[in-house]
Amino acid sequence: NAGVMQNPRHLVRRRGQEARLRCSPMKGHSHVYWYRQLPEEGLKFMVYLQKENIIDESGMPKERFSAEFPKEGPSILRIQQVVRGDSAAYFCASSPSGSIRSYEQYFGPGTRLTVT
Amino acid sequence: GENVEQHPSTLSVQEGDSAVIKCTYSDSASNYFPWYKQELGKRPQLIIDIRSNVGEKKDQRIAVTLNKTAKHFSLHITETQPEDSAVYFCAASGGTSYGKLTFGQGTILTVHP
Repeated sequence: NAGVMQNPRHLVRRRGQEARLRCSPMKGHSHVYWYRQLPEEGLKFMVYLQKENIIDESGMPKERFSAEFPKEGPSILRIQQVVRGDSAAYFCASSPSGSIRSYEQYFGPGTRLTVT
Repeated sequence: GENVEQHPSTLSVQEGDSAVIKCTYSDSASNYFPWYKQELGKRPQLIIDIRSNVGEKKDQRIAVTLNKTAKHFSLHITETQPEDSAVYFCAASGGTSYGKLTFGQGTILTVHP
């Protein structure tokens, strides 16, 4: 039973370029969450999605950041015109729906974004 | 919104000793409290969680206690081993923050052989 998958694991972008981070949830999970972790800091919530719906984007910066979870395919976190401050580890988590276990979030290995 | 405070930020113990990490939360409507272990460069791993209708939960050497009145919860690790060394994060969810986890700042636990 494959866990949460993220790719790429490492991504290097120059300032001004776009970064696309992908997340495939665990089998049977329909809830996806994105978190950002700055070096030596905790995890900060960014966005919560279900298939074709953004449920909560209260942690997402208003500009340059967007997220989607289409009917088919992985969830995508997109960062346009990256700046050095975007350098961080971006973790995706997923949880099952419709059960008492829907609270439990399981994390992927993360994408480490470096902006040069 | 929810705010979670975690203490201590670092904890050093001898192998075999117990370790306790404490967290407080601000939103009285929060009802789900997980703990994650994160090793260097790895993903956060869910190690134990507790819901607000339970005061204590135990799984082998780890246990979590919850005091809803005081809005704090704690992680207890007994008979610590060097492989317990990692960063531990508490989190809270539910109520007005349904779905998203609000994390504490983390505790770096070092277990000396």
